Amino acid sequence: DTEVTQTPKHLVMGMTNKKSLKCEQHMGHRAMYWYKQKAKKPPELMFVYSYEKLSINESVPSRFSPECPNSSLLNLHLHALQPEDSALYLCASQEDRGIYEQYFGPGTRLTVT
Amino acid sequence: GEDVEQSLFLSVREGDSSVINCTYTDSSSTYLYWYKQEPGAGLQLLTYIFSNMDMKQDQRLTVLLNKKDKHLSLRIADTQTGDSAIYFCAESIGNYGQNFVFGPGTRLSVLP
Repeated sequence: DTEVTQTPKHLVMGMTNKKSLKCEQHMGHRAMYWYKQKAKKPPELMFVYSYEKLSINESVPSRFSPECPNSSLLNLHLHALQPEDSALYLCASQEDRGIYEQYFGPGTRLTVT
Repeated sequence: GEDVEQSLFLSVREGDSSVINCTYTDSSSTYLYWYKQEPGAGLQLLTYIFSNMDMKQDQRLTVLLNKKDKHLSLRIADTQTGDSAIYFCAESIGNYGQNFVFGPGTRLSVLP
């Protein structure tokens, strides 16, 4: 099983809402990632969790708050977003830090109104 | 700083070979990757190459790496309409290779 699942597939939220994106993998991978992808652009790294600890935060605004409750789950909590935050949010997992391939989920298409 | 560049568009006829090129700047990259993204979907890892290799072949895919020129290419033999997608070149950098930097993507169109 090389699947990374993400829910929901689509999300529309207002600028005052609080919502969460979820990501799950059951491959025993110890590194998990959040990326943001705008239309016709490559994915941009947001956060990396390694062994359930935040190891990389690419200067992401605090209205995005990641959480890794256990080694299989990764959440991204959203609060007071702006319309420019509308994008495809991709989760990925990796066997361990370093030289392993990343497996991507299908993404959550987020629209902020 | 790190930067990965690719040509943005490529159009080929079905059955021909496609060659997608990429240049990168970080000479410390250990692995270089090719990902495929179809419309509305996540990224699918196609293949990767270790930085001390020159070539890797995997069925219809051939990856060539010129480390001196920091140039990577992906050749798809016998290109099919199902190969139409965006192809991203990526390098992993940083102490633990966790920072993946992607190129802008090459949109491959396969004409019947």
